[in-house]
This record gives sequence, structure tokens and C-alpha cells, in this order.
Amino acid sequence: DSGVTQTPKHLITATGQRVTLRCSPRSGDLSVYWYQQSLDQGLQFLIQYYNGEERAKGNILERFSAQQFPDLHSELNLSSLELGDSALYFCASSAFRDTNTGELFFGEGSRLTVL
Amino acid sequence: AQTVTQSQPEMSVQEAETVTLSCTYDTSESNYYLFWYKQPPSRQMILVIRQEAYKQQNATENRFSVNFQKAAKSFSLKISDSQLGDTAMYFCAFIQTGGGNKLTFGTGTQLKVEL
Repeated sequence: DSGVTQTPKHLITATGQRVTLRCSPRSGDLSVYWYQQSLDQGLQFLIQYYNGEERAKGNILERFSAQQFPDLHSELNLSSLELGDSALYFCASSAFRDTNTGELFFGEGSRLTVL
Repeated sequence: AQTVTQSQPEMSVQEAETVTLSCTYDTSESNYYLFWYKQPPSRQMILVIRQEAYKQQNATENRFSVNFQKAAKSFSLKISDSQLGDTAMYFCAFIQTGGGNKLTFGTGTQLKVEL
């Protein structure tokens, strides 16, 4: 158990809808990362927050947004969902602002299916 | 931009045998880290081993070792004495030192350990 908790584990919704994925990092970790894992593209970095502030941005669509709250949990909001958004969404956490060592602690992911 | 390539989508190995998973990467940077992550059926990503580019010595972690060839931009993972619990998807990943915290992953190699 990595200590990173993601909810929900599975989510099925329709095109055009909006969903929110939630992540609680390991106790004491200040950084939260979001990754998208789709079948054809592997793991893609979406965004990182450190202590409530956006730290780094990757290939995140404009329809997606994220935030990190004062209690350090994070939410990833996906709106105007399309079939292609179906994927496994991972949250990872680390104690540091910069993760040069690469040791991220991953949650078990939220499986999103858009019908 | 950095890219990570894993050219073996699937591999299988007999229990107790040795297997090597391949990874190549492309970067113009000289300071970076390379990683192998394991994703078992539970979906959680687990760090297996890490290599710092400035270190010539290949990293080892128990039954896992790497063959890091910096000039060739190659980073293979060797699993010795394979166990059934090693069955998983293995991802090679790269991060540039000071590069904004973006871990770039390969597309993965599905390893199956058979009796």
C-alpha cells in the first residue's frame, strides 16, 4: 500500500458529462501529480501541484482542470467528456517540490469509462 | 523533447529464469534519471529501480539490475530468478534533472512469468 488514496476506483459516464476524481496523497507529501494512462498512449503527465500551487504542466486538455486544497488533497475535474477520455487516471505524490529522484508513490488509479 | 521507447510489447519467461527488458531513450540533456516501474494487475505503479545518468555503475536491487549504456541511450532491465509475482507491466521512465518534474514513460512491456 503506497498510502495514496484515489476515489472513485471505477466510474462510468456519458459523453458530454463532467466528473471529478479525488486524490489523497501520502501523509506529509506536499506534491501531487496526475497522470493519464490510455491503451494507445501509455502514461502521460498531466499536471503537478506543490503545496497548493501549480508546479508543472504537461499534456492537460483545456477541458480538464485540477486543484490542490489546503489539506493537500487534490481533485482532477474532467468536463465535456469524450469517448477518448476513457482511461486510467493516476495520482502520485512525493514529499518534494522537484522529483528528480523520480520516486513517486502512486495510487491505484481511477478507471474512467465514457460511453 | 524526450522520448522513451520500449520495443517489446510482451515477453514471457519461465520461473527461475532470467529475462531482460529493453528500453531506449532520446534526449539532448546530460543530467537525468532513468527508472523502471512495475505495474502488477492491482494497477498500482511501483518503483523497481533507479539509475542516475552521471553514475557509471549500473544500479542493482536484489534480483533486479540494469544495463545502462549512456552513449547508446539504452537502459535495459534484467530480472534474475524470475518469480510468478514478477508478472506485471514494466515501464521505463525518464526525468530530466531540473526539468519541471515531468516523468516521461515508455509504452510498457507486459511480462508473464510461467511455471
